[in-house]
Amino acid sequence: DAGITQSPRHKVTETGTPVTLRCHQTENHRYMYWYRQDPGHGLRLIHYSYGVKDTDKGEVSDGYSVSRSKTEDFLLTLESATSSQTSVYFCAISVQPEAYEQYFGPGTRLTVT
Amino acid sequence: AQTVTQSQPEMSVQEAETVTLSCTYDTSENNYYLFWYKQPPSRQMILVIRQEAYKQQNATENRFSVNFQKAAKSFSLKISDSQLGDTAMYFCAFMKLDGADGLTFGKGTHLIIQP
Repeated sequence: DAGITQSPRHKVTETGTPVTLRCHQTENHRYMYWYRQDPGHGLRLIHYSYGVKDTDKGEVSDGYSVSRSKTEDFLLTLESATSSQTSVYFCAISVQPEAYEQYFGPGTRLTVT
Repeated sequence: AQTVTQSQPEMSVQEAETVTLSCTYDTSENNYYLFWYKQPPSRQMILVIRQEAYKQQNATENRFSVNFQKAAKSFSLKISDSQLGDTAMYFCAFMKLDGADGLTFGKGTHLIIQP
């Protein structure tokens, strides 16, 4: 257990509304990641962070923004949700440079109607 | 960019048998990391095993072992004495040495262990 929580765990929202997902970790790891998981695609990287206010885009970043104002929190925002953003969202941390493997939170299932 | 390919969408074996899941990848990097993750019906992503590309010795973790062939860009997972609890989706993943771009995943193999 890497001390990662995600909130909410489930959310249903309407097209066009803003949505923010939260990832919280308790062990002050620098590196945090957001992925989405869709059938037939495995997991794909949305955004990642190497530290407070230090973020970068991943493979599928369009339509998403992130913020990291504290080490322990990494927020993912959908400014105007679309049906194509219906997915399961996973947060992950890694303990680089001490170790390189990533540990995942429990996931958030988001449905955009 | 890296790509990871898992060519077996689904596999089914009997309990106690040995099963091998295939994974190939494409990269121009010389040093990198490779992983196998397990995702049971609970949806939790669980790290199974990891391999550093600069190590020639294949990684092992209890009943799980890998066959890493760097020149062939192949990274298969062998599960020995399979158990009902091994039923899950298994994902192969690649990561560059500096961690940039996070993990690149394959599409997964659904492994079913039959009693």
